[in-house]
Amino acid sequence: QVQLMESGGGVVQPGTSLRLSCAASAFSFTTYGMHWVRQAPGKGLEWVANIWYDGRNKYYANSVRGRFTISRDNSKNLLYLQINSLRAEDTAVYYCARGQARANSFDVWGQGTMVTVSS
Amino acid sequence: QSALTQPASVSGSPGQSITISCTGTSSDVGRYNYVAWYQQHPGEAPKLIIYDVSNRPSGVSDRFSGSKSGNTGSLTISGLQAEDEADYYCSSYTASNTWVFGGGTKLTVL
Repeated sequence: QVQLMESGGGVVQPGTSLRLSCAASAFSFTTYGMHWVRQAPGKGLEWVANIWYDGRNKYYANSVRGRFTISRDNSKNLLYLQINSLRAEDTAVYYCARGQARANSFDVWGQGTMVTVSS
Repeated sequence: QSALTQPASVSGSPGQSITISCTGTSSDVGRYNYVAWYQQHPGEAPKLIIYDVSNRPSGVSDRFSGSKSGNTGSLTISGLQAEDEADYYCSSYTASNTWVFGGGTKLTVL
């Protein structure tokens, strides 16, 4: 079945970097825009970043622009999120989500990967 | 990129109907018919239940319906069931080519 699976989370120190990955399966990854959404413990959802199906355009939330970089490898069906200069407020579950075709919503979600920033 | 405004909590008894509001601005909810709603049970990933204001994905119960008026979108759940108890989030596409979520609403089925 259509599936997204994140990996790469963990406990990291402030100021360090981390790269999250999202493996897509059972759908034509190269034809969908993709997103990262995060959720801090006990808090709501926060949209983080979007990348077009072909990687030509990328958009970011103001709160992460300049520190986060979204990318994809369509030959491997992989989505990435590079996070630099990690801060305590970046502590969250990070979900990758598929952009629904011809609609601006997120129709498939991964199970999430937890990032904890702590010294 | 301010979050959309949702009530923190709503409640209802089994069989009743409830409505959750989602208020944005003329740059997001009011500008596009791209309001979506997500259901999230504890410890699980969100699930899309409404897209493009009022459309249901395949497999979503017709007890869930959506609408929009001006800058406010709404989610109505009719015939409340115990399994509907969850957190609900709205989202909208914005004029800045970004997306924004609401703060979330906790639904309690009494």
